[in-house]
Amino acid sequence: GNSVTQMEGPVTLSEEAFLTINCTYTATGYPSLFWYVQYPGEGLQLLLKATKADDKGSNKGFEATYRKETTSFHLEKGSVQVSDSAVYFCALRDSGAGSYQLTFGKGTKLSVIP
Amino acid sequence: DTAVSQTPKYLVTQMGNDKSIKCEQNLGHDTMYWYKQDSKKFLKIMFSYNNKELIINETVPNRFSPKSPDKAHLNLHINSLELGDSAVYFCASSSLGGVENIQYFGAGTRLSVL
Repeated sequence: GNSVTQMEGPVTLSEEAFLTINCTYTATGYPSLFWYVQYPGEGLQLLLKATKADDKGSNKGFEATYRKETTSFHLEKGSVQVSDSAVYFCALRDSGAGSYQLTFGKGTKLSVIP
Repeated sequence: DTAVSQTPKYLVTQMGNDKSIKCEQNLGHDTMYWYKQDSKKFLKIMFSYNNKELIINETVPNRFSPKSPDKAHLNLHINSLELGDSAVYFCASSSLGGVENIQYFGAGTRLSVL
């Protein structure tokens, strides 16, 4: 079956530090990959996505590259802000027509301190 | 306008009671989902409906019964509430046939069973 493994949190960084949150996956075929973000007290929001190997998703200064050879989709940001404090979820969706079910990682809590 | 709205936002109740959570989406999507997020932030799918028909039903106690009166609504009814049901429940929707099939989440319902 499909699975997503994220680095354990929580992660605490100072403002302007470099962020990496590791994500690896197991799937049959060629899944689409996603990062969702959950700010305190809110629902999940799509942060970025990539649908095929070597695609780079980017949004709000965050980036992640779909690496098929290492089955990874690590999230990076060059300079984090306090407002980036949230829980980050890596997820995958199977390829194929009509695929809809997302498989989530366990989430990584990020706290950014001034 | 909120794309995916859930009510109530907070629900505090006693063990043994029956309660419902409502979800509505105004995105024109044909597929809706219910997720449960436990205290460790782990997100697990419970149900999914496509055009009012059940398409995902994970291992969830029979006390949980989803109902979809139309494509825009997916309600969750829980009978005989137990302490272990305490969690945050998220509704989501997507367009199954869409190229991107991105899931959009509601803000969540925090259920506390006393």
